[in-house]
Amino acid sequence: IQLTQSPSSLSASVGDRVTITCRASQGITSALAWYQQKPGKAPKLLIYDASSLEGGVPSRFSGSGSGTDFTLTISGLQPEDFATYYCQQFYNYWTTFGGGTKVEIK
Amino acid sequence: EVQLVESGGGLIQPGGSLRLSCAASGFTVGSNYMSWVRQAPGKGLEWVSVIYRSGTTYSADSVKGRFTISRDNSKNTLDLQMNNLRAEDTAVYYCARGLAKSGGTLFDSWGQGTLVTVSS
Repeated sequence: IQLTQSPSSLSASVGDRVTITCRASQGITSALAWYQQKPGKAPKLLIYDASSLEGGVPSRFSGSGSGTDFTLTISGLQPEDFATYYCQQFYNYWTTFGGGTKVEIK
Repeated sequence: EVQLVESGGGLIQPGGSLRLSCAASGFTVGSNYMSWVRQAPGKGLEWVSVIYRSGTTYSADSVKGRFTISRDNSKNTLDLQMNNLRAEDTAVYYCARGLAKSGGTLFDSWGQGTLVTVSS
């Protein structure tokens, strides 16, 4: 199952609302997760089951979608949110990741 | 507190072998789905291998027949034996704890990663 993220990068300002999309090559119900990765660090789980917020993750992060189309929204971008975001499908044992979206400071 | 610490990375020549290890604390490796995920320099994430609670293992086609995932319940560690290494295996290798969901796993805890460089 291939995951296509868009855009591959974006520039935004603190306080902006940011939306990242992830499209699956076939239906994956709600078996999708989102991760945040900062340079030199391991990924961090943000969202699972397409829209469930992982414990300790700020509520400005939200996810939606099912089937083949998913979105990650950051409502009110904070300085610590500048990072690369990846989607991941866990519909079957051969899990795959999207290509990533780098969120940069405008 | 859940913690994963990888070791064993380094510089290795093409065709060589390397064994990575991941020491876990705060939970039991044998009671969880454990995976290796890698990231080539400047690239995205790629799942490598998984071992289920049952001991069943799966690997990506790119490493099948060359890499073997295993665990040592007595030491609470996860290993990855990598044979016949290729330049394209160069990456940071992460150990990750998986949560079983749907038909696969998502990863709620990750190690800091260990760099494997395959080059002559």
